[in-house]
Formats: sequence, C-alpha cells, structure tokens
Amino acid sequence: QVQLVQSGAEVKKPGASVKVSCKASGYSFTNYGISWVRQAPGQGLEWVAWITAYNGDTRYAQKLQGRVTVTTDTSTSTAYMELRSLGSDDTAVYYCARDWNYVIDYWGQGTLVTVSS
Amino acid sequence: QTVVTQEPSLAVSPGGTVTLTCACSTGAVTSGYYPIWFQQKPGQTPRALIYSTSNRHSWTPARFSGSLLGGKAALTLSGVQPEDEAEYYCLLNYGGVWVFGGGTKLTVL
Repeated sequence: QVQLVQSGAEVKKPGASVKVSCKASGYSFTNYGISWVRQAPGQGLEWVAWITAYNGDTRYAQKLQGRVTVTTDTSTSTAYMELRSLGSDDTAVYYCARDWNYVIDYWGQGTLVTVSS
Repeated sequence: QTVVTQEPSLAVSPGGTVTLTCACSTGAVTSGYYPIWFQQKPGQTPRALIYSTSNRHSWTPARFSGSLLGGKAALTLSGVQPEDEAEYYCLLNYGGVWVFGGGTKLTVL
C-alpha cells in the first residue's frame, strides 16, 4: 500500500534552517511528484512546493520562493524540504503528499516544526 | 497574489444537503484549474475527496460530489452524516502552482 513516512518533530531557533524528509513506499517513486503543504497552529492549509522525482522539476509558492528548496533522492525514494531563515511564523505542521497529473491523494503523517528562541 | 475564497462556515442538519463553494480572485473557476477538495477533522491529516473538479477517489463516499457552479468550484454533500462535520478545503492550480482556499467549517447540527 502507498505510504509516505515523514521525519520527526523539530525545534529550531529563529534564523536557522530545517530539513524535513518524506520516505515513499508502495509505488513507483519516479512516476509521481510530491507536494509539500504546511499548516500553522489553528490555521488553514498552505501549499509550499512541488517536485517531480522523474526529472527534478520544481514549483514553489511565491511567498516562500528563495527560502525553500525541495529535492528528491531516487535511490531511497525520499523527498526533502528545506526551509531557511526560519521565523516564528514558520511554526507549523509540514506535510508531504503524492501529487501527479493534478491529483493529490496520499499524505504523510506530518512533521511539527517549532521555531522558538 | 491569487486569492481563493470559501465560505468560512456552514451548518446543515443530518440527512440534509449542503453545497460548499470555491471562488478565485482572477475570475471564474474552470476545469483548467483542476479543483481538488479535501476534508480535515481535528487532529487528523487532510483526506483527499475529489480531484479534477468531479472525480472521486476510491475511498470517497458517493454522497460527496464535485462540480462547477456559477463560476465557482463546488462540493455538494447529499444525505449528510454526523461524521461529515469537519473543515473542508479546496485547492486550485494556476499554471503548476497550487493555491488553497481558506477552508469551510461544516457543522452538522
């Protein structure tokens, strides 16, 4: 069955960087893309970025462009999201989700990133 | 900056029908925005319900249907169940970039 398993919670200081992983199983990783979505406490969903494992093509939300980078490692079927220059408003649960051909179906369990001094 | 707008909250009685809508600031929503709908219950991961305007996933109950209505994407719940009480989010694609709506809190009274 399709599974996306994310790395554990992180606590970071303002100005630091965080890298969240998302390990895929149960499907052909290179045939699909991965979207990253975040949700601040008590807030709605916000799309962050997308990458295709096929050729590494990426798309980013304008608001975060320049601070976020998404990558994949096809040898381990793992996607990564790195966010730099963290501020308190980056505190959120970060999700990965399988995304290809305008279909988003399976989601990871989420990773809580807390930014606090 | 594209803004996607949903009703902040709606209420429906069990067994009733309710329609949630999703509008975009750039004009009418068309199938070319590939509307997606998600359901999220408190403390849970979002669950995909509808993709490409009106297609259900294999796990989506038949009482959920998607459409285009009056220039908006729409999610209709027919024969609402108590377990349908949740937050519902729409998602639209703008040339490869996704934008979420603010979500609709659906209360089943």
